[in-house]
Amino acid sequence: AQSVAQPEDQVNVAEGNPLTVKCTYSVSGNPYLFWYVQYPNRGLQFLLKYITGDNLVKGSYGFEAEFNKSQTSFHLKKPSALVSDSALYFCAVRDLDTGFQKLVFGTGTRLLVSP
Amino acid sequence: KAGVTQTPRYLIKTRGQQVTLSCSPISGHRSVSWYQQTPGQGLQFLFEYFSETQRNKGNFPGRFSGRQFSNSRSEMNVSTLELGDSALYLCASSSGGQGALNEKLFFGSGTQLSVL
Repeated sequence: AQSVAQPEDQVNVAEGNPLTVKCTYSVSGNPYLFWYVQYPNRGLQFLLKYITGDNLVKGSYGFEAEFNKSQTSFHLKKPSALVSDSALYFCAVRDLDTGFQKLVFGTGTRLLVSP
Repeated sequence: KAGVTQTPRYLIKTRGQQVTLSCSPISGHRSVSWYQQTPGQGLQFLFEYFSETQRNKGNFPGRFSGRQFSNSRSEMNVSTLELGDSALYLCASSSGGQGALNEKLFFGSGTQLSVL
């Protein structure tokens, strides 16, 4: 079964500092990985997805993610955090056992950026 | 292009009642998925519809059901509501073609259901 793990419930960072939100995955086959962000009282917004062969993926709002096959990780990064980046971040993997459009989500990491 | 639209935005029901939630996908999208989000369980997959057919189902009791219409709009129904059904219900759409495994999902803002 496909799964992702987000080991940190919350990440705190000062504005202007780099941020990292961690995600590790477990898949049988090729990984189809995604990052989504959720602002209060809103649905999920797509940030980026892993594309085979590109270890560094660039996405929306200045975010990027680093894919590491040997460590089975797909960490979300941003060089300089903004207060407006404070939100709930979800890592997800496509469920290849059932296929189609099912995503399996991590438990989420709350990012808090202080001024 | 309009995004995914979910109605109503908020719902308050009492135990034992039933509820119907609606989702209008992005124009041209044929796949609609539903997810339940709770603080304790996180995001859980309910089911996915494609061209009016359910092609994937999560581990939820039979009280949870759904359907999709010919215009791709989808509804989900929960019968005999329980307190534990209180959650944010999210709908997502995509073109859903087979093999599109790296296709992103577009989510609506959700319906917040409170069961009293």
